[in-house]
Amino acid sequence: GENVEQHPSTLSVQEGDSAVIKCTYSDSASNYFPWYKQELGKRPQLIIDIRSNVGEKKDQRIAVTLNKTAKHFSLHITETQPEDSAVYFCAASKTGANNLFFGTGTRLTVIP
Amino acid sequence: NAGVTQTPKFRILKIGQSMTLQCTQDMNHNYMYWYRQDPGMGLKLIYYSVGAGITDKGEVPNGYNVSRSTTEDFPLRLELAAPSQTSVYFCASTTRASEAFFGQGTRLTVV
Repeated sequence: GENVEQHPSTLSVQEGDSAVIKCTYSDSASNYFPWYKQELGKRPQLIIDIRSNVGEKKDQRIAVTLNKTAKHFSLHITETQPEDSAVYFCAASKTGANNLFFGTGTRLTVIP
Repeated sequence: NAGVTQTPKFRILKIGQSMTLQCTQDMNHNYMYWYRQDPGMGLKLIYYSVGAGITDKGEVPNGYNVSRSTTEDFPLRLELAAPSQTSVYFCASTTRASEAFFGQGTRLTVV
């Protein structure tokens, strides 16, 4: 099956700085790459996703980039704010698959 | 739409007891999943289902059982609870290669 690796496991940034979280995947057939945010004590929720037919997608301060050749994708958060503090999970899936494979998570702390 | 609903939110079990975690979704999703999340850790897949009557094991199925008699419901059964099953359990549903919707989680403590 798919193997998704995520780095770093923890990340601290000053408020206003950018944060980047990286994931690699093993199955070249994967074509759907979502990112989930999990605030303390709450459920994971989708914040952005990208499909393999595009290389980059933006939504306000959040962007995701995908490099299919290298089999990695990244989450970029600009102008970080304290409310961005959470655990972020990447995931990978493919059409026809029965499963969604998650990375191990990155705990982001934004220091005011 | 309620989305994915899990019950209960909290539960304390004694070692050796059994219980069922309930999960219901109203989005007509074929795919449903059970994950466990240990403190400070990621999501580990316990069982999943691709449709009514079909279930399969994930990464950590030992000590658990599931059933999928309807599209809406996907209960998780714990038999003979052990301290190692202390965790937060999330149910999720999705259509193929699209957003997964999670329930609010069940915090289970086995003492």
